[in-house]
Amino acid sequence: EPEVTQTPSHQVTQMGQEVILRCVPISNHLYFYWYRQILGQKVEFLVSFYNNEISEKSEIFDDQFSVERPDGSNFTLKIRSTKLEDSAMYFCASSSEGAGIFGSGTRLTVV
Amino acid sequence: GENVEQHPSTLSVQEGDSAVIKCTYSDSASNYFPWYKQELGKGPQLIIDIRSNVGEKKDQRIAVTLNKTAKHFSLHITETQPEDSAVYFCAASPQGSARQLTFGSGTQLTVLP
Repeated sequence: EPEVTQTPSHQVTQMGQEVILRCVPISNHLYFYWYRQILGQKVEFLVSFYNNEISEKSEIFDDQFSVERPDGSNFTLKIRSTKLEDSAMYFCASSSEGAGIFGSGTRLTVV
Repeated sequence: GENVEQHPSTLSVQEGDSAVIKCTYSDSASNYFPWYKQELGKGPQLIIDIRSNVGEKKDQRIAVTLNKTAKHFSLHITETQPEDSAVYFCAASPQGSARQLTFGSGTQLTVLP
């Protein structure tokens, strides 16, 4: 069964550093997303991406964040100058129309 | 923006009994309502979804009902098994898809053998 793959599974970074979270969506999907889940809280929408551009983004997704599809398979989330409150599980998802398939997530810990 | 409320936050049932989880949403523009199951250390896994033009959908032991007028939707799991134990999330989207989902706060379901 096709799956969304995320790397790394766990990333520890120092406050102020840049991190790039990587995702390989399902190959025939057209929409790509990033969500995050702070420990013990709801899953929150960050951004959706379609046709090589951002289609929707939440208030959380400020200038500190960016997304990119650098080639035909990868989809990345970059966080510039990380803050302690960026510590969370970050989930990538993809879909055609309808149901989103989520990856297993990257646990980001900012110290 | 959309707000999704989910109840209960924890639910324990005996194996073989039914479990019901309820969600309400605030934005009448929402038209897509998926339910996700999340096991420890894994990402949310889609188990069933429903669109606003349908009142009920069933897939084996799992069913979802939607009341658009009251803005609430529910997940029903029948004949529960220990492997159903997980956190269940409801969500809503105005985009008819997984775009811009607003999630509920989750229900920890425990099925007791």
